[in-house]
Amino acid sequence: GNSVTQMEGPVTLSEEAFLTINCTYTATGYPSLFWYVQYPGEGLQLLLKATKADDKGSNKGFEATYRKETTSFHLEKGSVQVSDSAVYFCALSDHGGGFKTIFGAGTRLFVKA
Amino acid sequence: GAVVSQHPSWVICKSGTSVKIECRSLDFQATTMFWYRQFPKQSLMLMATSNEGSKATYEQGVEKDKFLINHASLTLSTLTVTSAHPEDSSFYICSASVASGNYEQYFGPGTRLTVT
Repeated sequence: GNSVTQMEGPVTLSEEAFLTINCTYTATGYPSLFWYVQYPGEGLQLLLKATKADDKGSNKGFEATYRKETTSFHLEKGSVQVSDSAVYFCALSDHGGGFKTIFGAGTRLFVKA
Repeated sequence: GAVVSQHPSWVICKSGTSVKIECRSLDFQATTMFWYRQFPKQSLMLMATSNEGSKATYEQGVEKDKFLINHASLTLSTLTVTSAHPEDSSFYICSASVASGNYEQYFGPGTRLTVT
C-alpha cells in the first residue's frame, strides 16, 4: 500500500540556516505530493504541492521537487525564520487510493533566534 | 476560497455522553469528506471517508458504532463520538475535497475533545 516516510525530528536550527526535511514515498499509482504545516494548537495548512514528476512546489520560500526516480519530495528552505517553527507533514494522495491522503509522521522544527 | 470550518473548536464532556462535531465546506461543494484523529505530537490517523449521501467507509480498527459519521449534504459532515471515554480525548480534524485531478484536500482547523 501507499506510505510516506519522513525524517525524524526534532530539527533545531538557528535563524537564517538552511533547512532540508527528507521525505520519501511508496505508491502504486501516480500520486500527488504535499507538504503541510501545523503551527502549535492549530490545524493543518497546505504549504505546497506537486502533482506530477519533476514539478516543483514552492511557497513562502519553501520548495520541494517531485522526484519520481528516487520517490522523494524533500522540503527545503534557504533561510529559516523563528516563525517557521512548526510541525511539517509530508503527504500523498492518489486516485487509486480513493483520494485518501496518507501522512508521514511529521517533523518538528525549532528555529532559534 | 476553499475554506473548511469545524465546530466546536474545543469541547469538554463527561464520560458516557455523546459529542457531535460539525465540518462544513464554506465556499465549495465537497463530494468527499475525511475525518482524522491526531494524538499529541503524532501524525494524523485517517478514521473514515464519507461521500455525500452514502455510508462512511471506516478504516480498519475504527469502531463505526462509536464514531458515527453523517454526510447529509455537499457542505456538511458530522462526527458523533458516542458514549465518550477519556481515551477518546484527542484532536479531530476533518478535510474536504472535490473529485478532480489534483486530489487536494482542504483541512478544517480541528476540534479538541477532552473527556473527563
